[in-house]
Amino acid sequence: EVELVESGGGLVQPGRSLRLSCAGSGFTFSSYEMNWVRQVSGKGLEWISFINHKGNSIYYADSVKGRFTISRDNAKNSLYLQMNSLRAEDTAIYYCVREGVSMVRGVMINGYFDHWGQGTLVTVSS
Amino acid sequence: EIVLTQSPGTLSLSPGERVTLSCRASQSVSSTFLAWYQQKPGQAPRLLIYGASNRATGIPDRFSGSGSGTDFTLTISRLEPEDCAVYYCHQYGGSTSFGQGTKLEIK
Repeated sequence: EVELVESGGGLVQPGRSLRLSCAGSGFTFSSYEMNWVRQVSGKGLEWISFINHKGNSIYYADSVKGRFTISRDNAKNSLYLQMNSLRAEDTAIYYCVREGVSMVRGVMINGYFDHWGQGTLVTVSS
Repeated sequence: EIVLTQSPGTLSLSPGERVTLSCRASQSVSSTFLAWYQQKPGQAPRLLIYGASNRATGIPDRFSGSGSGTDFTLTISRLEPEDCAVYYCHQYGGSTSFGQGTKLEIK
């Protein structure tokens, strides 16, 4: 069974840093692209970062570019999000998300989010 | 950036009814790159549909997806009480973005 378990969330002051981790199990972690998605309480979903399976292709949402860094350690089946210069508006639940891949009638479909962790809450407040 | 607009914002229906949720894109999206998720209170989102019309593993066949271009639909053929949730559409063709969600309440 695929499992993604986030950790590292908590209360942090504005301007400080926090590092989130995500441990994957039940699948070959090194074969899958991974993402971080966040959700402000009671609001919608916001994609914030992508990393390919090798770790050499990375993208960020404009809202976090230059402040957040995504990385992975395939030997440890782990995904990370280093968050610097945190702001109040970064307060949210952060989800670790795996991208799915399927062949449908000879066509490869990928990029959808097939497995989500339970999320870790980050609160930025003084 | 492709903006996804979902409608209605909220709807309330009775068990057994048929429901259709809409997702409209600001520009054309390949049907290969459209997904739907269900999120119940206190839980992470769960994948329902990918590639516009393909059910994810373990999803009941009362859930179906359709559409192309800028208009996509999630249909629940016979509402069950456990379908009470917020539903999000998601496009992942190049960039990625989510709709704002439709809240489905069961009477």
